[in-house]
Amino acid sequence: QVQLEQSGAEVKKPGASVKVSCKASGYTFTSYGLSWVRQAPGQGLEWMGWISSYNGNTKYAQKFQGRVTMTRDTSTSTAYMELRSLRFDDTAVYYCARENILRSVYNNYMDVWGKGTTVTVSS
Amino acid sequence: DIQMTQSPPSLSAFVGDRVTISCRASQSISSYLNWYQQKPGQAPKLLIYAASRLQSGVPSRFSGSGSGTDFTLTITSLQPEDFATYYCQQSYSSPPMHTFGQGTKLEIK
Repeated sequence: QVQLEQSGAEVKKPGASVKVSCKASGYTFTSYGLSWVRQAPGQGLEWMGWISSYNGNTKYAQKFQGRVTMTRDTSTSTAYMELRSLRFDDTAVYYCARENILRSVYNNYMDVWGKGTTVTVSS
Repeated sequence: DIQMTQSPPSLSAFVGDRVTISCRASQSISSYLNWYQQKPGQAPKLLIYAASRLQSGVPSRFSGSGSGTDFTLTITSLQPEDFATYYCQQSYSSPPMHTFGQGTKLEIK
């Protein structure tokens, strides 16, 4: 079945970087883009950015521009999200989600989600 | 940037009730609106896409409506498993540049 398997929990110090992986299975990886969404404890969902699994094009939320890099490896059907210069308020669960599209109206929606990766920033 | 505002922030209801959750966009987004359900400790789950299309496997008691700036998620005959937090999300641009509403927590009365 279609799945997104994310890497394990991370604990990082302020100023460090974290790289989270998201391995896709059960579908043709290059046919769908991937978005990254995070959720701080007790807070709502925050979209971070998107990567085309086909050609590697990216689009980042302005808030994360310059601090986030999204990449993918088509040989392993894996996407990565690296966040640098970590701050305490980057403590959150980070999700990857498959981007599907209703082509008749070009509506994008996230139809498959990973279970999330907890990133804790602590000194 | 497009802002999404949900109301109410929280809602209490009985099993069997009909509830509606509203979502307003800061500018017209046509029908580029999706709804998700999230239960504690779980990833979000897609319920409705393109404002009114029911995702496969989602019970028909869930429905979405609206276009432009005003949208509604309706749940008829609430079931115990429906108590969760619901988020709207706009997907107006391509490549995607998503924004979520702040969420509506639906609690059992």
